[in-house]
Amino acid sequence: SQTIHQWPATLVQPVGSPLSLECTVEGTSNPNLYWYRQAAGRGLQLLFYSVGIGQISSEVPQNLSASRPQDRQFILSSKKLLLSDSGFYLCAWSVGTGSEAFFGQGTRLTVV
Amino acid sequence: AQSVTQPDIHITVSEGASLELRCNYSYGATPYLFWYVQSPGQGLQLLLKYFSGDTLVQGIKGFEAEFKRSQSSFNLRKPSVHWSDAAEYFCATESGGYQKVTFGIGTKLQVIP
Repeated sequence: SQTIHQWPATLVQPVGSPLSLECTVEGTSNPNLYWYRQAAGRGLQLLFYSVGIGQISSEVPQNLSASRPQDRQFILSSKKLLLSDSGFYLCAWSVGTGSEAFFGQGTRLTVV
Repeated sequence: AQSVTQPDIHITVSEGASLELRCNYSYGATPYLFWYVQSPGQGLQLLLKYFSGDTLVQGIKGFEAEFKRSQSSFNLRKPSVHWSDAAEYFCATESGGYQKVTFGIGTKLQVIP
């Protein structure tokens, strides 16, 4: 069966520090991968999505970047965190057009 | 670009009462439409989805949703709400071919005894 792993669950980072959140999927090949950020009153904001290795689409200009070094690995990064980067980050995968998205348990990031 | 609007940020209902959560979509063609539920501090779980065909879709946990093209709506309903239904509910859409799933702002449901 397919599973998605997202870590860490919580993270407290100082302003200006780097960030690396990792997401891996098991049990499927060539998934679509997504990074969302959830902030109070703003729903789920799509940050990046990827339909294949090395293919990253950015939805919102910002301080973050994403990479997909392997088929089932999706990494969210920042060189220098801002206070506004605080939020709940969710990784998700799907198998293709119109299919259900499966979510990780999320990472609560607090930038202090 | 496709989008969904959830006009109600918070809804409070009594346990046993009926529930309807609103969702309106904006897209030229018939989109793929989804409803997800999120328990506090957790990821999201799919309740139901609509692609085509029968406009009344049955989902898990006793939920259903009706697609109305004339109103560009995909409202979620449940005839009798249970306390365990308290959560945040998200409507989502995907534009066919782009495989990009976008979500509404969410509706937080509170259930009172």
